[in-house]
Amino acid sequence: KAGVTQTPRYLIKTRGQQVTLSCSPISGHRSVSWYQQTPGQGLQFLFEYFSETQRNKGNFPGRFSGRQFSNSRSEMNVSTLELGDSALYLCASSSQGSNSPLHFGNGTRLTVT
Amino acid sequence: GIQVEQSPPDLILQEGANSTLRCNFSDSVNNLQWFHQNPWGQLINLFYIPSGTKQNGRLSATTVATERYSLLYISSSQTTDSGVYFCAVERIGNTPLVFGKGTRLSVIA
Repeated sequence: KAGVTQTPRYLIKTRGQQVTLSCSPISGHRSVSWYQQTPGQGLQFLFEYFSETQRNKGNFPGRFSGRQFSNSRSEMNVSTLELGDSALYLCASSSQGSNSPLHFGNGTRLTVT
Repeated sequence: GIQVEQSPPDLILQEGANSTLRCNFSDSVNNLQWFHQNPWGQLINLFYIPSGTKQNGRLSATTVATERYSLLYISSSQTTDSGVYFCAVERIGNTPLVFGKGTRLSVIA
C-alpha cells in the first residue's frame, strides 16, 4: 500500500505570492490533516478534512485554506505569503481521523524570500 | 488547551544503551501516539497507544491514562534511532492531535 504522498517536496516563493500544496492520502483513508512545523513553534495543527468537509481548524489566519476532493486528495493554499510562512508543511492521513493512527507524508519544505 | 510536556528535551546515548522518554499531558485523552522524526524530516508513527503497553521490536510504550503520562522505551539503541521523538494526544471530543515539543535523541557509535 502506498504511503501519504506530498508534492512538491521543495518550494521557493517570494513574499506576496501564493502557493498550493498537494497531498494524496493512503488508499482508503478518509481523513486528511495538515500541520506546519517550524523550529520555534514545533508542530502546529492547520486543519482536518473528512469526506470533503472541514472538521477541525487550527489557529491560523484566513490566508491559510484547504479543501478535500471526492477521492480524498487534499490541497492547502497559502495566499499573500509572508517570510514567517517558511516551514515544513506536513500532511497526514488516517482512516477515521479521531481514534485512529496518523500517518504522515514526507512534507513540503516552503521557503519564502 | 491541553498541555503536552516531553522529557528530557535532549538525550545523547552510546550505541547499545537503553533509554526512557516521558510524555505528560494535562487533561483526559482519547488517544495518544508516539512518532519518530528522522534527520530527513520524515515522521513515522511508532505507536497508537491510548492505554496499556505495546511492544514493537526494541521499542515499547506504556500509557497510564488515569495518571496522564506515557513512556517510550528504547532498548539496545542504534545510530538509526537518532532523531526527534514526539508524543501527541487527542482530547476527548474529536479534536486534533496536539504535539509535544519532542525529545531529540542522538545515538553515538
